[in-house]
Amino acid sequence: GQNIDQPTEMTATEGAIVQINCTYQTSGFNGLFWYQQHAGEAPTFLSYNVLDGLEEKGRFSSFLSRSKGYSYLLLKELQMKDSASYLCAAMDSNYQLIWGAGTKLIIKP
Amino acid sequence: TAGITQAPTSQILAAGRSMTLRCTQDMRHNAMYWYRQDLGLGLRLIHYSNTAGTTGKGEVPDGYSVSRANTDDFPLTLASAVPSQTSVYFCASSDSGLDTQYFGPGTRLTVL
Repeated sequence: GQNIDQPTEMTATEGAIVQINCTYQTSGFNGLFWYQQHAGEAPTFLSYNVLDGLEEKGRFSSFLSRSKGYSYLLLKELQMKDSASYLCAAMDSNYQLIWGAGTKLIIKP
Repeated sequence: TAGITQAPTSQILAAGRSMTLRCTQDMRHNAMYWYRQDLGLGLRLIHYSNTAGTTGKGEVPDGYSVSRANTDDFPLTLASAVPSQTSVYFCASSDSGLDTQYFGPGTRLTVL
């Protein structure tokens, strides 16, 4: 079956760095997406990886290892506004997204 | 640019009643999707459309129907609502099936 695993909740301190991990098992693979979702709002796109390696975009970076079925999202210089859920999704061979349940990130001052 | 709009924002519906959730995008995207989001679960695909005039079933299509008469609109209909359809429903669109999906603001539906 197809499956995405990510931690349910993480806590970090303002100004620090946090890494949110995601492992995936899909029928075929056409890329890994990360979305941010604030409470009561829609998911918004953060990053896309299809090749192995690190993609950096400002304070956010995303890493992919296809051989390990593993990705992480790295958030630097955490701000209170980064408190949100972070959703990992893998695109399968049918170009459908398989979603994880999300990681709720709590930022403390 | 509005992007994707959904209506209504929220709704309380009696079991057995029918309802249509509306979704409109102005980005001229070819592909559109309906998801439901329930606490503790990932987004689950209900139905999708890769282009106007075509639709397909996702992971949880039972009890739902869709149509795609034109590029912009992708309504989701519940023919006879049941309490297990209580959820937040998100519509999304992408330029093609390979591309990044962009989400509407969601409809919170409660079936009593």
